[in-house]
Amino acid sequence: DTGVSQNPRHKITKRGQNVTFRCDPISEHNRLYWYRQTLGQGPEFLTYFQNEAQLEKSRLLSDRFSAERPKGSFSTLEIQRTEQGDSAMYLCASSSDLQFKNIQYFGAGTRLSVL
Amino acid sequence: AQTVTQSQPEMSVQEAETVTLSCTYDTSESDYYLFWYKQPPSRQMILVIRQEAYKQQNATENRFSVNFQKAAKSFSLKISDSQLGDAAMYFCAYPGGETSGSRLTFGEGTQLTVNP
Repeated sequence: DTGVSQNPRHKITKRGQNVTFRCDPISEHNRLYWYRQTLGQGPEFLTYFQNEAQLEKSRLLSDRFSAERPKGSFSTLEIQRTEQGDSAMYLCASSSDLQFKNIQYFGAGTRLSVL
Repeated sequence: AQTVTQSQPEMSVQEAETVTLSCTYDTSESDYYLFWYKQPPSRQMILVIRQEAYKQQNATENRFSVNFQKAAKSFSLKISDSQLGDAAMYFCAYPGGETSGSRLTFGEGTQLTVNP
């Protein structure tokens, strides 16, 4: 197992375009989290899944954002009609509620630049 | 709501010396965990050390140790014998309870520079 994988690593897009990011969690991890991190700041929670169910969404997640986790495996995060304020690092993490207190393991992130 | 505060945006230390990074938090829970994560430049975040609030003994992982003061809601990280590879952004993090899926609330981070 190589850990949490995120693709692409970098995405440059023009304002108004749609983008989609993918996260592959550690196999057998039933929880998956998305965070957003702007330069020089700590990550902020966006949403999380337990298996295929999206159980919580932050108020940071506007209507232009949608996340899915079909079949409880990989997850996608889509941003529609991107804005310059969406430029950030999007981090994915996974954990297992069968292991020690849900320690979250992070991917390397997808850096989004909206021009 | 839980909050996590790191009051040192930047810290520097000489190689082989010791440095302490500060973190305070706020919670109404009595049993919880606290984490320190390390984020090297352009690399993924990794867990450095964890502390269980019900344990009075401070956690230690090799050169990393914590000073956990539950009453003061303080959770500092001490790095001994600092190495060049310790240079990174360090985040203190508090996981919410089960009702919030244990999502992490992070502090603002402390950028640690290690000088040779």
